[in-house]
Amino acid sequence: AQSVTQPDIHITVSEGASLELRCNYSYGATPYLFWYVQSPGQGLQLLLKYFSGDTLVQGIKGFEAEFKRSQSSFNLRKPSVHWSDAAEYFCAVGASGGSYIPTFGRGTSLIVHP
Amino acid sequence: DSGVTQTPKHLITATGQRVTLRCSPRSGDLSVYWYQQSLDQGLQFLIQYYNGEERAKGNILERFSAQQFPDLHSELNLSSLELGDSALYFCASSTQSSDTQYFGPGTRLTVL
Repeated sequence: AQSVTQPDIHITVSEGASLELRCNYSYGATPYLFWYVQSPGQGLQLLLKYFSGDTLVQGIKGFEAEFKRSQSSFNLRKPSVHWSDAAEYFCAVGASGGSYIPTFGRGTSLIVHP
Repeated sequence: DSGVTQTPKHLITATGQRVTLRCSPRSGDLSVYWYQQSLDQGLQFLIQYYNGEERAKGNILERFSAQQFPDLHSELNLSSLELGDSALYFCASSTQSSDTQYFGPGTRLTVL
């Protein structure tokens, strides 16, 4: 069974600073990988996804993520954080060879200081 | 706005009661998924329907059931409610099972 670990429960950054949110997955084959963002009181919004091909994936709102098979990681990055990026971020892994139902990590809460 | 709608937004009820949550998928989406989000369990997949048929089952309790109607909207029925059922319940939809899921705003259920 697949699993996802987001090691950081909370991350605090200053506005304008760079950001990296960590995600490690466990899955036997090539996974489908996702990053979602959840703002307070809102549903989840897809930021980006990796199915195959280029391991550096560009998403919405200036986010990108890099799939590293050797490290079983799919870290999310943004070069300059805006106050509006404060939210909960979820990494998810889906099984490419069967059910596509994603398994979600526990989330990382991003706090942005002015 | 994802195009997925859920009603009601909030629901407060008592233990032992039964409630129904409703979801309308994005136009054209055949697949509907239900998730439960709680502080202690995180985001858990409950069940998936595809074009009216149950397609996948996750950590769904026997007290919970769902269905997808011919117009593709879905309902999640929660019965014999317990305090621990208090959570956010999300619906998501996709065109095919392998496609990206789009989430609704959720229904916050409080069981007193």
